Amino acid sequence: DAEITQSPRHKITETGRQVTLACHQTWNHNNMFWYRQDLGHGLRLIHYSYGVQDTNKGEVSDGYSVSRSNTEDLPLTLESAASSQTSVYFCASSEVAGGPARDTQYFGPGTRLTVL
Amino acid sequence: QKEVEQNSGPLSVPEGAIASLNCTYSDRGSQSFFWYRQYSGKSPELIMSIYSNGDKEDGRFTAQLNKASQYVSLLIRDSQPSDSATYLCAVWMEYGNKLVFGAGTILRVKS
Repeated sequence: DAEITQSPRHKITETGRQVTLACHQTWNHNNMFWYRQDLGHGLRLIHYSYGVQDTNKGEVSDGYSVSRSNTEDLPLTLESAASSQTSVYFCASSEVAGGPARDTQYFGPGTRLTVL
Repeated sequence: QKEVEQNSGPLSVPEGAIASLNCTYSDRGSQSFFWYRQYSGKSPELIMSIYSNGDKEDGRFTAQLNKASQYVSLLIRDSQPSDSATYLCAVWMEYGNKLVFGAGTILRVKS
């Protein structure tokens, strides 16, 4: 079955280290997204991609980067981890239903990241 | 003003009752609205989408949209304990071409 996976599911790291979170989908979706979820803030968009070689900044992109070299993967890199980046990170991909405004986004299981 | 606002709750309803979840949004040009359900420790999953004013029904769920009042709601009829979760309202913002989520409303259905 097609799916979207994230790894690792849990990660503890230290301030200043570079961390990469993986996201892999087998639906062949063009659109992929990274969100972080914090108590009281809901889901906030970090970066997104509408196709290979396309990347865009979301509302909370500072300190994060992504690259899209193929359809299936959108890894998220924290260049120098900070305690403020402790959060739950969700990757999502969307099925085109007439344009991104009507797409259904399917979410991965999430990665819980702790920065000490 | 937040782009998408929801009452954080928790909203407690007895089993079998109707649960009413509300959401307001700031972008008057928004055309697409979504309700996601998220169980504790799990990822969000889509319940309903609505694009036109009025009601849209799917089983026990009804989404209601009033664009003039910039208001969207989700009604859950015959609430079950398994409906206990956080419900996220999401609105496609035309001016930024992005999907914006509210902080979510915690629903607790008491048996």
